[in-house]
Amino acid sequence: DAGVIQSPRHEVTEMGQEVTLRCKPISGHNSLFWYRQTMMRGLELLIYFNNNVPIDDSGMPEDRFSAKMPNASFSTLKIQPSEPRDSAVYFCASSLELRAGGNEQFFGPGTRLTVL
Amino acid sequence: AQTVTQSQPEMSVQEAETVTLSCTYDTSESDYYLFWYKQPPSRQMILVIRQEAYKQQNATENRFSVNFQKAAKSFSLKISDSQLGDAAMYFCAYRRAGNQFYFGTGTSLTVIP
Repeated sequence: DAGVIQSPRHEVTEMGQEVTLRCKPISGHNSLFWYRQTMMRGLELLIYFNNNVPIDDSGMPEDRFSAKMPNASFSTLKIQPSEPRDSAVYFCASSLELRAGGNEQFFGPGTRLTVL
Repeated sequence: AQTVTQSQPEMSVQEAETVTLSCTYDTSESDYYLFWYKQPPSRQMILVIRQEAYKQQNATENRFSVNFQKAAKSFSLKISDSQLGDAAMYFCAYRRAGNQFYFGTGTSLTVIP
């Protein structure tokens, strides 16, 4: 398996523009997580999905952020409009549901977002 | 609420020596999993070791081992024979019976040649 795939790996945009980050989880995994990592705030969970359904989005900073998972093999995290304080590394991770036997998260390589 | 605390923002170790990274967690659950992840400068998050709470035996993976103290809610990572490639940020994480993961703030490990 290729692991968790994220695109783009780097994104530079200007304030006010829409940004879309993409994630393809490991095939067969039914839980998907979006994290944001900054020096100041560390690793923050933004939202996670179970069987394509958002379970907890309490970490989503504000209405400018939205996430979707239209099917088991694809998820997006959208920021509209983007602001300089959104600059961070965004990680996607996937795992098997705990009772299915899987227990660890597998992380993608991350997307480094810079908002000018 | 579940929380994970790593009280050592930075640690350093001489090459070939042993270092222990601390982690404590707060939970009312009896069934859960604990993990240590490594994040080198490449940013890739890599699983180092995992521990099931129902197992009394401490997990070991080559040079990496844990000291799991369930009653004390402590889960430290010991790295033996430290190598330059061990230099990274290390995150302790907790997962309960649901799907939510909780991560600590990380410990930055420097290995001195």
